[in-house]
Amino acid sequence: EAGVTQFPSHSVIEKGQTVTLRCDPISGHDNLYWYRRVMGKEIKFLLHFVKESKQDESGMPNNRFLAERTGGTYSTLKVQPAELEDSGVYFCASSLRDSRFNEQFFGPGTRLTVL
Amino acid sequence: AQSVAQPEDQVNVAEGNPLTVKCTYSVSGNPYLFWYVQYPNRGLQFLLKYITGDNLVKGSYGFEAEFNKSQTSFHLKKPSALVSDSALYFCAVRDIISSNTGKLIFGQGTTLQVKP
Repeated sequence: EAGVTQFPSHSVIEKGQTVTLRCDPISGHDNLYWYRRVMGKEIKFLLHFVKESKQDESGMPNNRFLAERTGGTYSTLKVQPAELEDSGVYFCASSLRDSRFNEQFFGPGTRLTVL
Repeated sequence: AQSVAQPEDQVNVAEGNPLTVKCTYSVSGNPYLFWYVQYPNRGLQFLLKYITGDNLVKGSYGFEAEFNKSQTSFHLKKPSALVSDSALYFCAVRDIISSNTGKLIFGQGTTLQVKP
């Protein structure tokens, strides 16, 4: 079974540019999460999809960030325009059921550097 | 507010010695606790979880964790460390206040360095 995949693995852009990150969850997983780790700090929740619906987007930092999951399969996270403080590692995770008891499976992350 | 603390940025241990990576938490209600490990250039891998039941939870790669409600701790342990255990370890708690979302609250991570 393929795991969670993310693309690209690295992205280097200049301030003001746009970047789109992609996440492909494990097949059949309705729940998809985005997290971010900035500058060696803790990993922080960004948002949660159940199928194509946003269940919780309380962690999205501002309106420069837009997440979509059309069709309930893969998801994209767009940052427009990017700022220096957006640099970090963006993780995607998926789970089969949104139960309090189930672990999430994480992708390798996308390392975003904004210059 | 719910939170997780990992008080040590780095833990150094000699191969063959026991290791402990510390984690304390603050939650409202019953905590659901997790440990994840990140090897270089890899994603986070699930190690173990505590939901209910025995306070000592066994997980992957010989790791275990002890849930201590009175001390609000969930320390990760292994009786005999391997050099290959060197990695970044994250403790996490599930936010059960917003029970319709499974978001995890993470600690800042602890780097474990096992020396031969």
